[in-house]
Amino acid sequence: DAGVIQSPRHEVTEMGQEVTLRCKPISGHDYLFWYRQTMMRGLELLIYFNNNVPIDDSGMPEDRFSAKMPNASFSTLKIQPSEPRDSAVYFCASSPGRGELFFGEGSRLTVL
Amino acid sequence: RKEVEQDPGPFNVPEGATVAFNCTYSNSASQSFFWYRQDCRKEPKLLMSVYSSGNEDGRFTAQLNRASQYISLLIRDSKLSDSATYLCVVIPMDTGRRALTFGSGTRLQVQP
Repeated sequence: DAGVIQSPRHEVTEMGQEVTLRCKPISGHDYLFWYRQTMMRGLELLIYFNNNVPIDDSGMPEDRFSAKMPNASFSTLKIQPSEPRDSAVYFCASSPGRGELFFGEGSRLTVL
Repeated sequence: RKEVEQDPGPFNVPEGATVAFNCTYSNSASQSFFWYRQDCRKEPKLLMSVYSSGNEDGRFTAQLNRASQYISLLIRDSKLSDSATYLCVVIPMDTGRRALTFGSGTRLQVQP
């Protein structure tokens, strides 16, 4: 079975540009999470969805970040406009229940 | 105080050694606990759940101490392949803000 699929794997962009990260969760999983990982701050929960509905977005850093889940098989995380401090690895994870998370391989974002 | 705290390490141990990590949590209402493993430049993967009575999976033993609010991971007979960062996950009983909080991780380096 396919795991969580994220795209792009790597993204290099310039400050001010819009960035869209994509995620396809594992079929049948009711929960979807977006995390950001940096050396300084570790893994930070940005937002999570339950049955396509955003439950907790308190980790979204600011209005430049937005996430959507239009259906059970697709989610996006958008940053507009991007800034150098947004450089990080962004992980999407899905779960059949709390605690057991299945992560994608991550999207490594570099904002110049 | 951080919700979940771990000693960042690194723990440098020789092959065959026994090593233990702790993870402390601040929310006494925390309900579920897990250990994840993350290899360098890879995504985190579930290693094992932590049950109240303690549990063992091969060379790995996880324990929970609710009175002192920490969980532990013990690795016996360390292998080179155990070199990774070990992350603990704590889930509060209330599923609101900051559900699924990851610790910053403890890095283990097993040396030949």
